Amino acid sequence: QFALTQPASVSGSPGQSITISCTGTSSDVGAYNYVSWYQQHPGKAPKLVISDVSHRPAGVSNRFSGSKSGNTASLTISGLQPEDEATYYCSSYTSSSPWVFGGGTKLTVL
Amino acid sequence: QVQLVESGGGVVQPGRSLRLSCEASGFTFSTYAMHWVRQAPGKGLEWVALISYDGDNKYYADSVRGRFTISRDNSKNTLYLQMHTLRAEDTAVFYCARALGGTYFRGGDFWGQGTLVTVSS
Repeated sequence: QFALTQPASVSGSPGQSITISCTGTSSDVGAYNYVSWYQQHPGKAPKLVISDVSHRPAGVSNRFSGSKSGNTASLTISGLQPEDEATYYCSSYTSSSPWVFGGGTKLTVL
Repeated sequence: QVQLVESGGGVVQPGRSLRLSCEASGFTFSTYAMHWVRQAPGKGLEWVALISYDGDNKYYADSVRGRFTISRDNSKNTLYLQMHTLRAEDTAVFYCARALGGTYFRGGDFWGQGTLVTVSS
């Protein structure tokens, strides 16, 4: 199974905010500030939306933000838009592997 | 702009071999570590392998160690994944990804479009 735990699905209406959680352990999320989030639309490659817990790459909307508390990281999307509907994956560096992922969270914009 | 283009996927019988390629452009390939990540149909992402910028250091997921080999040719701006003894459970879209900041720790920033490998008799 996946090293990081995410909810299978979340939903929200346009204009609302949603938060996706990503729970790991003291060997990954809790130990390092190397949590990244990826957005993947069906049939497309993943796209980086947050790196290093809370850094937003150039070109990514400021509606996307990231945070971390203990062993849990979170991705918040504010002002939901229809194009935000996608699957979101968290990832982290771990003491035993360079890169592990969560199982993904499907975001539905109602 | 950064571009990564994978190739080499296809249908292969169990137990056979296949080599994937990832041609890079738009950045100084020889200064970045690179990853392979796969995604089984309808499933999540799974990290497969990592290679340092100079090819000297390589890391593998337990599920592929001993069967897959990652390599690179910096003179050709190309990353490779040699896969042996393929199994049905290796069926997936394989993506190459540039290591964020060139480091081992921060995951990847740019991804290719992926190449599909189907292992079936």
